[in-house]
Amino acid sequence: NAGVMQNPRHLVRRRGQEARLRCSPMKGHSHVYWYRQLPEEGLKFMVYLQKENIIDESGMPKERFSAEFPKEGPSILRIQQVVRGDSAAYFCASSDQGSEQFFGPGTRLTVL
Amino acid sequence: GNSVTQMEGPVTLSEEAFLTINCTYTATGYPSLFWYVQYPGEGLQLLLKATKADDKGSNKGFEATYRKETTSFHLEKGSVQVSDSAVYFCALSGFGNEKLTFGTGTRLTIIP
Repeated sequence: NAGVMQNPRHLVRRRGQEARLRCSPMKGHSHVYWYRQLPEEGLKFMVYLQKENIIDESGMPKERFSAEFPKEGPSILRIQQVVRGDSAAYFCASSDQGSEQFFGPGTRLTVL
Repeated sequence: GNSVTQMEGPVTLSEEAFLTINCTYTATGYPSLFWYVQYPGEGLQLLLKATKADDKGSNKGFEATYRKETTSFHLEKGSVQVSDSAVYFCALSGFGNEKLTFGTGTRLTIIP
């Protein structure tokens, strides 16, 4: 039973480019959460999705960031026109109804 | 809103020493409380949890008791090992599949 998978594990982008981060939840999980971890800080909630629906996006920056979790395929966190301040580790977690969240290994984004 | 205040690190202990990492929280209602551990270059792993007052979570020799009167969930271990070196995060969530609110993390280093 594979755990939460994220790819790529490391992503390097230049300022102004787009970053796409993918998350495949654990089998049978229909809830996905995205968190961001800035260097030497704790994780901050960004967005919570269920299949085809955004449930809570209160932690998402209003501009340049978007997330989706389509009926088929992984959840995608998209960052347009990246800036240096977007450099961070982005973690995805998944859960089943009422269960604990299981975390993926993270994508470490570096913006040059 | 919800918040978690965690003992700042880094913490360095000798092998077999007693460990306490303090965690207090602010939340409405009756949150669930968690300790997560993050090893270098990896995602978060759930270490233990407690879902109601006076519950004690335990795993791998670690323990934490949900104290509603002091709004605390301190992590303890009687005898630490070098392999316990990691970053430890205290977190809470509201009822059901809600977002996790994390503390800033405590880096623990155990020296032989």
